Amino acid sequence: DAGVIQSPRHEVTEMGQEVTLRCKPISGHDYLFWYRQTMMRGLELLIYFNNNVPIDDSGMPEDRFSAKMPNASFSTLKIQPSEPRDSAVYFCASSPAGEWNEQFFGPGTRLTVL
Amino acid sequence: AQTVTQSQPEMSVQEAETVTLSCTYDTSESNYYLFWYKQPPSRQMILVIRQEAYKQQNATENRFSVNFQKAAKSFSLKISDSQLGDTAMYFCAFMKYGGSQGNLIFGKGTKLSVKP
Repeated sequence: DAGVIQSPRHEVTEMGQEVTLRCKPISGHDYLFWYRQTMMRGLELLIYFNNNVPIDDSGMPEDRFSAKMPNASFSTLKIQPSEPRDSAVYFCASSPAGEWNEQFFGPGTRLTVL
Repeated sequence: AQTVTQSQPEMSVQEAETVTLSCTYDTSESNYYLFWYKQPPSRQMILVIRQEAYKQQNATENRFSVNFQKAAKSFSLKISDSQLGDTAMYFCAFMKYGGSQGNLIFGKGTKLSVKP
């Protein structure tokens, strides 16, 4: 099993540009999560999906952030326009359904907005 | 709302020795899960150990064990026979039982350095 795949691993962009982060969850997992990690705030859940449907997006910081999951094997997190304070590591994780569902994390995307 | 607190930003230990990382949490829930995740310099988040709150027996995974004190809302991680590969950030996390699957709440982490 390849695990959760994220691309790109590193992204450097300029303020105002659109950024798209990509995630391929583990096959067969029903849940997909997007997290953001910063020094100041630690790891925060942004949004999660169940069977491709967004369930809780209360962690999305503002309207500049959007996430989609068009099918069971692909999700995107988009920031438009990007700002320097969006610089962080963004993790995608997936988990199977069930009472106890371990979340398997991808390697993360380090985003730097100049 | 649940909170997770790790009071030790950084710790160090000599190789082969034992170290304990602290974690406390606050919740009004009676059923929940607790986890320790490891994040090495590669950034990959790796599950180290988990504990179900309804189980009194402390979880153990090889050199890793926990001391779960439900009444005190404490969940410490003990690493025995520390190895250089244990150098990483360690995050304590809380998940409410049932309900929203996304309720994984992390502490701010403890940076552990294992010295040769």
